[in-house]
Amino acid sequence: AQSVSQHNHHVILSEAASLELGCNYSYGGTVNLFWYVQYPGQHLQLLLKYFSGDPLVKGIKGFEAEFIKSKFSFNLRKPSVQWSDTAEYFCASGGTGTASKLTFGTGTRLQVTL
Amino acid sequence: DGGITQSPKYLFRKEGQNVTLSCEQNLNHDAMYWYRQDPGQGLRLIYYSQIVNDFQKGDIAEGYSVSREKKESFPLTVTSAQKNPTAFYLCASRRTGVGYTFGSGTRLTVV
Repeated sequence: AQSVSQHNHHVILSEAASLELGCNYSYGGTVNLFWYVQYPGQHLQLLLKYFSGDPLVKGIKGFEAEFIKSKFSFNLRKPSVQWSDTAEYFCASGGTGTASKLTFGTGTRLQVTL
Repeated sequence: DGGITQSPKYLFRKEGQNVTLSCEQNLNHDAMYWYRQDPGQGLRLIYYSQIVNDFQKGDIAEGYSVSREKKESFPLTVTSAQKNPTAFYLCASRRTGVGYTFGSGTRLTVV
């Protein structure tokens, strides 16, 4: 069975600090990986996704993630966070076949202070 | 514009009543999904459907039922057997190789 672990439940950073949110997945086959963001009061938005190719994936709003197959990891990074990045971040994994489903981690709440 | 429509945005029901949440997509996606979101627990899969007239239980299917009579529609019924139905419900659809599209959700409150 698939599972996704997000180790940081609540992260507090000052503006301009660097961000790295951990994500580990367990899946036996070829995997698709995603990071979603949910701003307060808003719905889920896709930040970035990895299907294949370059393991360093660039997303929206300056976010990036690196797929490290040997570590089963897909950590999210941003060199300098802004107050507007305050949100909840979800890592998710899914298979590539037609019968695949998306499995989410429990989420990381990021709070950026001025 | 193509997308997923979930209605209503907010729903209130009395305890013991069944309630049906609507999910419609015009993306021509084959697969559709229902997730439940609770604080601190992320999104958990309730049911999913790969094709019309077929669906499978997810991780927390007890107390829920679905149907998939049309490709565009995947309604979720929260039955009186669901012990803790108050939550935020998200519908999604998927095309293989493209990814997932999520609706804006329905917040169900049972009083």
